[in-house]
Amino acid sequence: DADVTQTPRNRITKTGKRIMLECSQTKGHDRMYWYRQDPGLGLRLIYYSFDVKDINKGEISDGYSVSRQAQAKFSLSLESAIPNQTALYFCATSDNNEQFFGPGTRLTVL
Amino acid sequence: GESVGLHLPTLSVQEGDNSIINCAYSNSASDYFIWYKQESGKGPQFIIDIRSNMDKRQGQRVTVLLNKTVKHLSLQIAATQPGDSAVYFCAENIKYRGSTLGRLYFGRGTQLTVWP
Repeated sequence: DADVTQTPRNRITKTGKRIMLECSQTKGHDRMYWYRQDPGLGLRLIYYSFDVKDINKGEISDGYSVSRQAQAKFSLSLESAIPNQTALYFCATSDNNEQFFGPGTRLTVL
Repeated sequence: GESVGLHLPTLSVQEGDNSIINCAYSNSASDYFIWYKQESGKGPQFIIDIRSNMDKRQGQRVTVLLNKTVKHLSLQIAATQPGDSAVYFCAENIKYRGSTLGRLYFGRGTQLTVWP
């Protein structure tokens, strides 16, 4: 079984809709991250959490919110999706050594 | 501001040759660097890391070189294989509350293509 899972893997939605992307991990890591990947821009950090009570904005948090429901779960929400939020979204977890990434969610906003 | 970039967006090599992927960073306070490999349709996977107190680190078929004087990082892949075809990202660590792995800043990636 995968250590970091993301649901859904693909989603097509319309402008203005609320969307939630979910991430679960079985690695027992305290730290979790949400990234966005666009062609030619690499990965950019949206939000990160170092424990259940810790939430921090990343480089591009506008238009997004997160919830750390438990050590193993970190969800990303788009309250009102817009087309320029079309991208590949990755969740990651870490211990002190490296970050482990999920398989990604491809989101398309029409 | 922090900036991690790649010298070349694409690199094509013949199977069996050595590959060198370069990366420049701008934050002289960064103390930890990682190379990731991303295959099509998958999330990035850790390849190798290096701390700023080192100049070189070797793994299995991979070597990372760090030149702090010019803020340059490179990944060398020996005897490149078709399975090495992927996008390679460098990332630098920005400390958070004194922690070694706070948040990472990623470069834009280099697409490595290996042809027979």
